[in-house]
Amino acid sequence: NAGVMQNPRHLVRRRGQEARLRCSPMKGHSHVYWYRQLPEEGLKFMVYLQKENIIDESGMPKERFSAEFPKEGPSILRIQQVVRGDSAAYFCASSPPTVYEQFFGPGTRLTVL
Amino acid sequence: AQSVTQLGSHVSVSEGALVLLRCNYSSSVPPYLFWYVQYPNQGLQLLLKYTSAATLVKGINGFEAEFKKSETSFHLTKPSAHMSDAAEYFCAFGGSQGNLIFGKGTKLSVKP
Repeated sequence: NAGVMQNPRHLVRRRGQEARLRCSPMKGHSHVYWYRQLPEEGLKFMVYLQKENIIDESGMPKERFSAEFPKEGPSILRIQQVVRGDSAAYFCASSPPTVYEQFFGPGTRLTVL
Repeated sequence: AQSVTQLGSHVSVSEGALVLLRCNYSSSVPPYLFWYVQYPNQGLQLLLKYTSAATLVKGINGFEAEFKKSETSFHLTKPSAHMSDAAEYFCAFGGSQGNLIFGKGTKLSVKP
């Protein structure tokens, strides 16, 4: 059973470009969470999704950030018009229904030039 | 509000010495608590979790943690440190919507 997969592992963007981060949950997992880790800080919750539904986006910046988890395919975290402050590691985690345990992917390290 | 505090951003121990990483939480409801380990440039790996069963929880790699409600603590320990334990450790609290609330992390260094 493959673990949580994220791609790309490293992403470089110039200011103003768009960044798309992908997350494929573990097989059988229908819940996906996105977290952001800034240097020297812990992970901060961004958004919680189930298939075709956003359950909790209380940690998402109000502008430029969006997330989806379509019926088919991976979950996508999209950052429009990136700024230098968006440089961080973005982690995806998945869990099965009714289980209070999250499995993390290796992360995508975004660098904004 | 629910929160997690990890005391000490850096801890250094000698190989073979006791490891003690501190975590305190703040919550008005019974918590789910977790310890994760992160090696450089990698994702997080679950060490152990507390979900209201036994208060002493054993995890992987010889780690264990004790839930103390009276002290609102969930400290992580290992009797004898190994060089391979050098990593960053995160305590996390299970939020009401299923998300995890993380502490800022403690970097563990192990000296030979």
